[in-house]
Amino acid sequence: NAGVTQTPKFRVLKTGQSMTLLCAQDMNHEYMYWYRQDPGMGLRLIHYSVGEGTTAKGEVPDGYNVSRLKKQNFLLGLESAAPSQTSVYFCASSRITSGQETQYFGPGTRLLVL
Amino acid sequence: AQSVTQPDIHITVSEGASLELRCNYSYGATPYLFWYVQSPGQGLQLLLKYFSGDTLVQGIKGFEAEFKRSQSSFNLRKPSVHWSDAAEYFCAVGAVGGSYIPTFGRGTSLIVHP
Repeated sequence: NAGVTQTPKFRVLKTGQSMTLLCAQDMNHEYMYWYRQDPGMGLRLIHYSVGEGTTAKGEVPDGYNVSRLKKQNFLLGLESAAPSQTSVYFCASSRITSGQETQYFGPGTRLLVL
Repeated sequence: AQSVTQPDIHITVSEGASLELRCNYSYGATPYLFWYVQSPGQGLQLLLKYFSGDTLVQGIKGFEAEFKRSQSSFNLRKPSVHWSDAAEYFCAVGAVGGSYIPTFGRGTSLIVHP
């Protein structure tokens, strides 16, 4: 099993450009999450999905959109990138969410917006 | 809503010394508690978790944590630190029952001196 994979690993964008980050998991997990990690801020939840075709906003959703067309994939889109979106983005998944479920994280995507 | 505080941004220890990383949570009932570790350039990996039973929890890599309800704490410990333990450590809290999204602390960076 590859677990949780993220594409790309690193990307540089200019302000105003758009891009999509792809997260894939092969564990048949129901729940998937997108976080951003900034120095001193820990992990902040952007969006999450409780199943195929459903998404919900997290703590910092502005400037991002997501889609979960297939159970194994969770896409994070930036329509018009801003320097404030320079960050490391982590995708995670969990089997269900009963409170005790472990989250499995991808290796991260480093995004620099100039 | 639940919250997590990791009071120490950085901790420096010598190799072979003991380690304790602090985590305090705020939640109205018994929470689910997690410790994750993030090695440089990597995603997060679960070290251990607590959701019921024995308040002393054993994890991977020789780590343990103790849940203390009276102090709302879930501190991570290791009796003898190895250089490879240098990483970022995150405490997380989840709610009991129903749909939950875990809340992460801001992390503690562990520096190990030879």
